[in-house]
Amino acid sequence: AQTVTQSQPEMSVQEAETVTLSCTYDTSESDYYLFWYKQPPSRQMILVIRQEAYKQQNATENRFSVNFQKAAKSFSLKISDSQLGDAAMYFCAYRSAREYGNKLVFGAGTILRVKS
Amino acid sequence: EAQVTQNPRYLITVTGKKLTVTCSQNMNHEYMSWYRQDPGLGLRQIYYSMNVEVTDKGDVPEGYKVSRKEKRNFPLILESPSPNQTSLYFCASSPFNNQPQHFGDGTRLSIL
Repeated sequence: AQTVTQSQPEMSVQEAETVTLSCTYDTSESDYYLFWYKQPPSRQMILVIRQEAYKQQNATENRFSVNFQKAAKSFSLKISDSQLGDAAMYFCAYRSAREYGNKLVFGAGTILRVKS
Repeated sequence: EAQVTQNPRYLITVTGKKLTVTCSQNMNHEYMSWYRQDPGLGLRQIYYSMNVEVTDKGDVPEGYKVSRKEKRNFPLILESPSPNQTSLYFCASSPFNNQPQHFGDGTRLSIL
Protein backbone atom coordinates (compact mmCIF):
# COMPACT_ATOMS: atom_id res chain seq x y z
CA ALA A 1 0.00 0.00 0.00
CA GLN A 2 1.13 3.50 -0.72
CA THR A 3 1.95 5.90 2.09
CA VAL A 4 2.55 9.63 2.22
CA THR A 5 4.64 11.28 4.95
CA GLN A 6 4.73 14.94 5.87
CA SER A 7 7.40 15.31 8.51
CA GLN A 8 6.67 18.94 9.46
CA PRO A 9 3.56 19.25 11.63
CA GLU A 10 3.91 23.05 11.64
CA MET A 11 5.86 25.69 9.74
CA SER A 12 6.08 29.46 10.01
CA VAL A 13 7.07 32.02 7.42
CA GLN A 14 7.34 35.79 7.37
CA GLU A 15 5.09 37.59 4.92
CA ALA A 16 6.82 38.04 1.53
CA GLU A 17 9.37 35.31 2.32
CA THR A 18 9.67 31.83 0.80
CA VAL A 19 8.82 28.57 2.54
CA THR A 20 9.18 24.94 1.53
CA LEU A 21 6.91 22.16 2.77
CA SER A 22 8.24 18.61 2.63
CA CYS A 23 6.54 15.44 1.47
CA THR A 24 7.85 11.94 0.85
CA TYR A 25 5.89 8.96 -0.37
CA ASP A 26 6.34 5.26 -0.74
CA THR A 27 5.11 3.28 -3.75
CA SER A 28 6.20 0.46 -6.00
CA GLU A 29 4.37 1.95 -8.95
CA SER A 30 5.93 3.99 -11.72
CA ASP A 31 2.81 5.77 -12.94
CA TYR A 32 0.99 8.02 -10.49
CA TYR A 33 -0.05 11.57 -9.65
CA LEU A 34 0.95 13.82 -6.78
CA PHE A 35 -0.98 16.76 -5.37
CA TRP A 36 -0.82 19.53 -2.84
CA TYR A 37 -4.12 20.61 -1.30
CA LYS A 38 -4.72 23.67 0.86
CA GLN A 39 -7.27 23.61 3.66
CA PRO A 40 -7.96 27.06 5.17
CA PRO A 41 -9.97 27.48 8.39
CA SER A 42 -13.14 27.36 6.27
CA ARG A 43 -12.35 23.61 5.82
CA GLN A 44 -12.54 23.72 2.03
CA MET A 45 -10.13 21.44 0.19
CA ILE A 46 -8.47 23.52 -2.51
CA LEU A 47 -6.21 21.97 -5.12
CA VAL A 48 -2.97 23.95 -5.24
CA ILE A 49 -0.85 22.02 -7.70
CA ARG A 50 -0.65 18.67 -9.45
CA GLN A 51 2.27 16.67 -10.85
CA GLU A 52 2.19 13.68 -13.16
CA ALA A 53 4.97 11.22 -12.37
CA TYR A 54 5.87 10.70 -16.03
CA LYS A 55 6.68 14.40 -16.43
CA GLN A 56 10.20 15.39 -15.50
CA GLN A 57 9.40 19.09 -15.48
CA ASN A 58 8.33 20.45 -12.11
CA ALA A 59 4.82 21.91 -12.00
CA THR A 60 4.32 25.58 -11.20
CA GLU A 61 1.20 27.64 -10.48
CA ASN A 62 1.95 31.31 -9.96
CA ARG A 63 3.72 31.57 -6.56
CA PHE A 64 3.53 27.82 -5.97
CA SER A 65 6.05 25.37 -7.38
CA VAL A 66 7.13 21.83 -6.60
CA ASN A 67 10.43 20.01 -6.48
CA PHE A 68 9.63 16.50 -7.71
CA GLN A 69 12.41 13.97 -7.18
CA LYS A 70 11.05 10.67 -8.46
CA ALA A 71 14.02 8.50 -7.52
CA ALA A 72 14.03 9.90 -4.00
CA LYS A 73 10.19 9.77 -3.81
CA SER A 74 10.11 13.35 -2.68
CA PHE A 75 7.58 16.05 -3.58
CA SER A 76 8.12 19.36 -1.81
CA LEU A 77 6.03 22.51 -2.21
CA LYS A 78 7.64 25.94 -2.41
CA ILE A 79 5.56 29.02 -1.74
CA SER A 80 7.21 32.25 -2.85
CA ASP A 81 6.29 35.75 -1.69
CA SER A 82 4.13 34.31 1.10
CA GLN A 83 0.86 36.12 1.82
CA LEU A 84 -1.39 36.13 4.86
CA GLY A 85 -3.98 34.24 2.83
CA ASP A 86 -1.56 31.34 2.44
CA ALA A 87 -2.02 30.44 6.12
CA ALA A 88 -3.71 27.04 6.12
CA MET A 89 -3.21 23.32 6.55
CA TYR A 90 -1.43 21.83 3.52
CA PHE A 91 -1.86 18.21 2.53
CA CYS A 92 0.31 16.22 0.18
CA ALA A 93 -1.55 13.45 -1.65
CA TYR A 94 -0.81 10.52 -3.95
CA ARG A 95 -3.02 8.80 -6.48
CA SER A 96 -2.24 5.66 -8.41
CA ALA A 97 -2.73 5.86 -12.17
CA ARG A 98 -3.65 2.17 -12.29
CA GLU A 99 -6.15 1.62 -9.51
CA TYR A 100 -9.86 2.26 -9.78
CA GLY A 101 -11.68 4.31 -7.20
CA ASN A 102 -9.79 7.54 -7.81
CA LYS A 103 -8.44 7.16 -4.28
CA LEU A 104 -6.25 9.91 -2.89
CA VAL A 105 -3.78 8.85 -0.19
CA PHE A 106 -3.06 11.82 2.05
CA GLY A 107 -0.27 12.76 4.39
CA ALA A 108 -1.03 14.00 7.90
CA GLY A 109 -0.76 17.65 6.87
CA THR A 110 1.43 20.65 7.69
CA ILE A 111 0.01 23.76 9.34
CA LEU A 112 1.50 26.86 7.76
CA ARG A 113 1.47 30.09 9.76
CA VAL A 114 2.25 33.39 8.05
CA LYS A 115 3.57 36.24 10.20
CA SER A 116 2.98 39.86 9.29
CA GLU B 1 -22.19 27.02 -10.31
CA ALA B 2 -20.39 23.66 -10.29
CA GLN B 3 -20.41 22.29 -6.78
CA VAL B 4 -20.55 19.37 -4.39
CA THR B 5 -23.10 19.97 -1.64
CA GLN B 6 -23.03 18.16 1.68
CA ASN B 7 -25.64 18.29 4.42
CA PRO B 8 -25.61 18.82 7.29
CA ARG B 9 -22.45 20.82 7.89
CA TYR B 10 -22.50 20.07 11.59
CA LEU B 11 -24.22 17.36 13.58
CA ILE B 12 -24.04 16.30 17.21
CA THR B 13 -25.80 13.03 17.96
CA VAL B 14 -25.71 10.05 20.29
CA THR B 15 -24.38 6.54 19.98
CA GLY B 16 -26.62 4.16 18.08
CA LYS B 17 -28.93 6.71 16.45
CA LYS B 18 -28.89 6.13 12.70
CA LEU B 19 -27.87 9.10 10.60
CA THR B 20 -27.36 9.98 6.97
CA VAL B 21 -25.05 12.58 5.50
CA THR B 22 -26.18 13.61 2.05
CA CYS B 23 -23.93 14.50 -0.88
CA SER B 24 -25.05 15.89 -4.20
CA GLN B 25 -23.08 17.07 -7.24
CA ASN B 26 -24.36 19.03 -10.24
CA MET B 27 -21.53 18.29 -12.67
CA ASN B 28 -22.73 14.92 -14.01
CA HIS B 29 -19.62 13.27 -12.58
CA GLU B 30 -19.22 9.50 -12.75
CA TYR B 31 -16.97 9.08 -9.71
CA MET B 32 -17.86 9.99 -6.14
CA SER B 33 -16.05 9.27 -2.88
CA TRP B 34 -16.35 9.74 0.85
CA TYR B 35 -13.36 10.57 3.03
CA ARG B 36 -12.93 11.13 6.74
CA GLN B 37 -10.34 13.51 8.16
CA ASP B 38 -8.75 12.88 11.55
CA PRO B 39 -5.88 14.74 13.24
CA GLY B 40 -2.51 13.20 12.45
CA LEU B 41 -4.01 10.89 9.83
CA GLY B 42 -5.00 13.22 7.00
CA LEU B 43 -7.97 12.14 4.89
CA ARG B 44 -8.80 8.50 4.29
CA GLN B 45 -11.20 7.10 1.72
CA ILE B 46 -14.26 5.34 3.16
CA TYR B 47 -16.18 4.31 0.03
CA TYR B 48 -16.27 5.22 -3.61
CA SER B 49 -18.67 4.84 -6.51
CA MET B 50 -17.82 4.58 -10.19
CA ASN B 51 -21.40 5.02 -11.39
CA VAL B 52 -25.02 4.36 -10.49
CA GLU B 53 -25.35 1.13 -8.50
CA VAL B 54 -21.56 0.58 -8.53
CA THR B 55 -19.88 1.12 -5.17
CA ASP B 56 -16.82 -0.33 -3.46
CA LYS B 57 -14.90 -0.09 -0.21
CA GLY B 58 -12.08 2.31 0.38
CA ASP B 59 -9.54 2.03 3.19
CA VAL B 60 -11.82 2.52 6.22
CA PRO B 61 -15.33 1.23 5.37
CA GLU B 62 -16.22 -0.40 8.71
CA GLY B 63 -19.36 1.05 10.26
CA TYR B 64 -20.48 2.86 7.10
CA LYS B 65 -22.84 2.19 4.22
CA VAL B 66 -23.38 4.03 0.96
CA SER B 67 -25.75 3.90 -1.98
CA ARG B 68 -25.77 5.36 -5.48
CA LYS B 69 -29.30 5.19 -6.85
CA GLU B 70 -28.95 8.38 -8.84
CA LYS B 71 -25.86 9.75 -10.52
CA ARG B 72 -25.90 13.04 -8.63
CA ASN B 73 -26.37 11.68 -5.09
CA PHE B 74 -24.10 9.59 -2.89
CA PRO B 75 -25.30 9.49 0.73
CA LEU B 76 -23.19 8.18 3.60
CA ILE B 77 -25.12 6.15 6.15
CA LEU B 78 -24.07 5.39 9.71
CA GLU B 79 -26.48 2.67 10.85
CA SER B 80 -25.28 2.60 14.47
CA PRO B 81 -22.85 5.47 15.04
CA SER B 82 -20.15 5.12 17.67
CA PRO B 83 -17.82 7.73 19.23
CA ASN B 84 -14.87 6.57 17.08
CA GLN B 85 -16.78 7.86 14.06
CA THR B 86 -16.53 11.41 15.36
CA SER B 87 -14.70 13.09 12.51
CA LEU B 88 -14.77 15.58 9.66
CA TYR B 89 -16.28 14.02 6.54
CA PHE B 90 -15.80 15.05 2.92
CA CYS B 91 -17.61 14.04 -0.21
CA ALA B 92 -15.75 14.39 -3.52
CA SER B 93 -16.57 13.87 -7.18
CA SER B 94 -14.70 13.67 -10.48
CA PRO B 95 -15.72 13.18 -14.13
CA PHE B 96 -14.05 9.75 -14.22
CA ASN B 97 -11.02 7.94 -12.85
CA ASN B 98 -7.71 9.81 -12.72
CA GLN B 99 -9.32 13.23 -12.91
CA PRO B 100 -9.03 15.96 -10.26
CA GLN B 101 -11.64 15.74 -7.55
CA HIS B 102 -14.05 18.45 -6.45
CA PHE B 103 -14.63 18.42 -2.70
CA GLY B 104 -17.67 19.43 -0.70
CA ASP B 105 -17.32 21.80 2.24
CA GLY B 106 -17.22 19.03 4.84
CA THR B 107 -19.51 17.73 7.57
CA ARG B 108 -18.39 17.82 11.19
CA LEU B 109 -19.91 14.84 13.04
CA SER B 110 -19.73 14.49 16.82
CA ILE B 111 -21.07 11.25 18.30
CA LEU B 112 -21.47 11.22 22.06
